[in-house]
Amino acid sequence: DAGVTQSPTHLIKTRGQQVTLRCSPISGHKSVSWYQQVLGQGPQFIFQYYEKEERGRGNFPDRFSARQFPNYSSELNVNALLLGDSALYLCASSSGTSNEKLFFGSGTQLSVL
Amino acid sequence: GQQVMQIPQYQHVQEGEDFTTYCNSSTTLSNIQWYKQRPGGHPVFLIQLVKSGEVKKQKRLTFQFGEAKKNSSLHITATQTTDVGTYFCAGPLGNQFYFGTGTSLTVIP
Repeated sequence: DAGVTQSPTHLIKTRGQQVTLRCSPISGHKSVSWYQQVLGQGPQFIFQYYEKEERGRGNFPDRFSARQFPNYSSELNVNALLLGDSALYLCASSSGTSNEKLFFGSGTQLSVL
Repeated sequence: GQQVMQIPQYQHVQEGEDFTTYCNSSTTLSNIQWYKQRPGGHPVFLIQLVKSGEVKKQKRLTFQFGEAKKNSSLHITATQTTDVGTYFCAGPLGNQFYFGTGTSLTVIP
């Protein structure tokens, strides 16, 4: 069975641009969450979606948005990119909500120049 | 501010020595999870603790959840080079999910 897949693996953008990151959860998992991981730090929670509804939101500006599709895949959008948005963006899937273990994808490495 | 802190931030040990990382939350957690992230990799789930005072073992790894459900620890006995990586505790707080600051373990052969 395929694990959590994320695309693209690497991305280079310039300040002010917009980016869309994609995630496909493990088959049968209905929850997807997004994390930002800056080098040397722990993952920071951005969003959780369960059954296409937002179930949790971290302390990120409104430039960050996400959605979940009927097939449970998800997209994370970041508008008006800043240099500080450079990070590894991780997607995790789980079968339920916050009490379930997370299965992470390999991430998208975003560099903002 | 950071809700879940871990100490130490870094730990270098000789192969065969023991290792412990401590996790402290500012508030009570319903459960706590531990993840391992190898250099260049992504976090991989190790275990979940739910009950106050719970202790679980996985081969050389021992996990504890504090009585007040605000702290936890991971102890590795007789480290091996395969134990290298960063260990994170994590848990739900409200409608968010917080990861700790992590402890980076280096094992010297």
